[in-house]
Amino acid sequence: EVQLVESGGRLVQPGGSLRLSCAASGFTFSNYAMNWVRQAPGKGLEWISYISRTSDAIYYADSVKGRFTISRDDAQNSLFLQMNSLRLDDTAVYYCARDSSGYVSGYWGQGSLVTVSS
Amino acid sequence: QSALTQPPSASGSPGQSVTISCTGTNSDIGGYQYVSWFQQHPGKAPKLMIYEVSKRPSGVPDRFSGSRSGNTASLTVSGLQPDDEADYYCSAYAGSNNPGYLFGPGTKVTVL
Repeated sequence: EVQLVESGGRLVQPGGSLRLSCAASGFTFSNYAMNWVRQAPGKGLEWISYISRTSDAIYYADSVKGRFTISRDDAQNSLFLQMNSLRLDDTAVYYCARDSSGYVSGYWGQGSLVTVSS
Repeated sequence: QSALTQPPSASGSPGQSVTISCTGTNSDIGGYQYVSWFQQHPGKAPKLMIYEVSKRPSGVPDRFSGSRSGNTASLTVSGLQPDDEADYYCSAYAGSNNPGYLFGPGTKVTVL
């Protein structure tokens, strides 16, 4: 069974940093590209980042470009999101989701809540 | 990145059908076969209902169907059931010039 489990979300002050992790199991992690998608409270879904199987293609939404960094460790079956210079509007549930070569697949984690507040 | 547009709400009585539209451009919705639809219940992760415009993942009832005409994709839910009440999001590949994915703002479907 495919499982994706996010962790690392917490309360952080504006301007601070945070690293989210996503532990994958039930599939060969190194064979798949991965995404991060977030959802602010009461708002819609926002795709924020993609990393290819081999990490040679990495993309970001304009809203996080230059502040967030996606990475992966295939030995640990893990996906990461390093978030710097956090702003109030980065408050959201952050989901990791497996990619399906052209669309975000149906395999999502349960989400990790990041709250940016002073 | 361009935006996708969806109506904020739609409704229907049990047994009826409801259709949700998702409008983009020829750089996303109209340019690729990569249009998908997600259902999300409150407090839950999104569930993939349609991918590649009209394909259903295993386990999704055939009451859910997808289509596209030009730069507008549509999701139709037939035979509405109470559990179909949820938020529905369209998604599209944003294109090779600006790689990534777009999500629509979501449509709240209410079963009357």
